[in-house]
Amino acid sequence: EAGVVQSPRYKIIEKKQPVAFWCNPISGHNTLYWYRQNLGQGPELLIRYENEEAVDDSQLPKDRFSAERLKGVDSTLKIQPAELGDSAVYLCASSEYGSASYEQYFGPGTRLTVT
Amino acid sequence: DQQVKQNSPSLSVQEGRISILNCDYTNSMFDYFLWYKKYPAEGPTFLISISSIKDKNEDGRFTVFLNKSAKHLSLHIVPSQPGDSAVYFCAASKGLSGNQFYFGTGTSLTVIP
Repeated sequence: EAGVVQSPRYKIIEKKQPVAFWCNPISGHNTLYWYRQNLGQGPELLIRYENEEAVDDSQLPKDRFSAERLKGVDSTLKIQPAELGDSAVYLCASSEYGSASYEQYFGPGTRLTVT
Repeated sequence: DQQVKQNSPSLSVQEGRISILNCDYTNSMFDYFLWYKKYPAEGPTFLISISSIKDKNEDGRFTVFLNKSAKHLSLHIVPSQPGDSAVYFCAASKGLSGNQFYFGTGTSLTVIP
């Protein structure tokens, strides 16, 4: 079974430029999460989707960040414009709503460097 | 405010011995806890979980203990193997309905052959 797929794996951009990350969750998983992990820290939730609905985006900096999950499958996270402080690893995870453990399966992440 | 804390950034253990990783939380509403393991350049992978109705859960070499009164949980790995060398994150949530998981800052475990 294929895991969570993310692209690109690495991205280097200059500040004020836009950037987008893509995530394809595990087939059948209707819950999708975007996390940001700063160096030396644990993942912090940015947004959670149930199917195509964003049910928790309270931690998403909405002035510059946006996300979408069309058709309740793939998702895209966008930053425009990027700032130096956005340098981090962006992780996508998915889970099966209603499963016994609510275990989240993570992708490998996208490492963003803003210069 | 960090609601889940892992106060030891690193831990070194000899192969074959026990590894004990600790985690503290501040929110008494947390009732579901997980441990994740993360290798470099990979996403975290689920290791073991525990519900607040239990105080222990065991899966092979891995056992998680929960002390609700102390708001503390620990992960025991016995015996430790070199392949266990990774960063371990604990996470906590309120309820099982896919709620937000709050992650600790991680403990880097090195198992010395």
